[in-house]
Amino acid sequence: AQSVAQPEDQVNVAEGNPLTVKCTYSVSGNPYLFWYVQYPNRGLQFLLKYITGDNLVKGSYGFEAEFNKSQTSFHLKKPSALVSDSALYFCAVSVAGFQKLVFGTGTRLLVSP
Amino acid sequence: DAGVTQSPTHLIKTRGQHVTLRCSPISGHKSVSWYQQVLGQGPQFIFQYYEKEERGRGNFPDRFSARQFPNYSSELNVNALLLGDSALYLCASSPQGTQNTEAFFGQGTRLTVV
Repeated sequence: AQSVAQPEDQVNVAEGNPLTVKCTYSVSGNPYLFWYVQYPNRGLQFLLKYITGDNLVKGSYGFEAEFNKSQTSFHLKKPSALVSDSALYFCAVSVAGFQKLVFGTGTRLLVSP
Repeated sequence: DAGVTQSPTHLIKTRGQHVTLRCSPISGHKSVSWYQQVLGQGPQFIFQYYEKEERGRGNFPDRFSARQFPNYSSELNVNALLLGDSALYLCASSPQGTQNTEAFFGQGTRLTVV
């Protein structure tokens, strides 16, 4: 079965420091990978995606993600964290030939002032 | 531009009742998907509709059904509600609903079954 794993329930980082939120995937065929963010009592907001091409993908709000095929990883990164980045982050893989997203369990990011 | 809109935002139902949730996609989007997000978990895929046809179904019982209308809006229906159906129900739309495109989510409907 195609899946993603987010090994960290929570990531703590100080404002201004770089952040990384980890995601590994298990898929057959080409992986279509996504990152979404969820603020309290809100839906999901799209951040970025990897379809093909450059392994470093740039997205919204200064976020980027690095696709690593050999390590089957798609980690989310940001050079300098903001307190407003504190939220729940989900990695997802698109499967089945249509738009079925399989989400990880989520990682809560807490950025302290 | 209006994003994906869902109604109602909150709903409380009693076990055994029926519920209908509604979703209006972004203008021009022909694909609508539904997800269930139980507290503390990632969203789980329920259905995808494209051009009024069901394109995919997740691992949910037959109590769950959906449809898409000619204006591309959609309804999710759940019969014989169980306590375990309490969740945030998310609707997402996209232009074509293909595997390599992103979905745009609404704010969700919070369903509480008592």
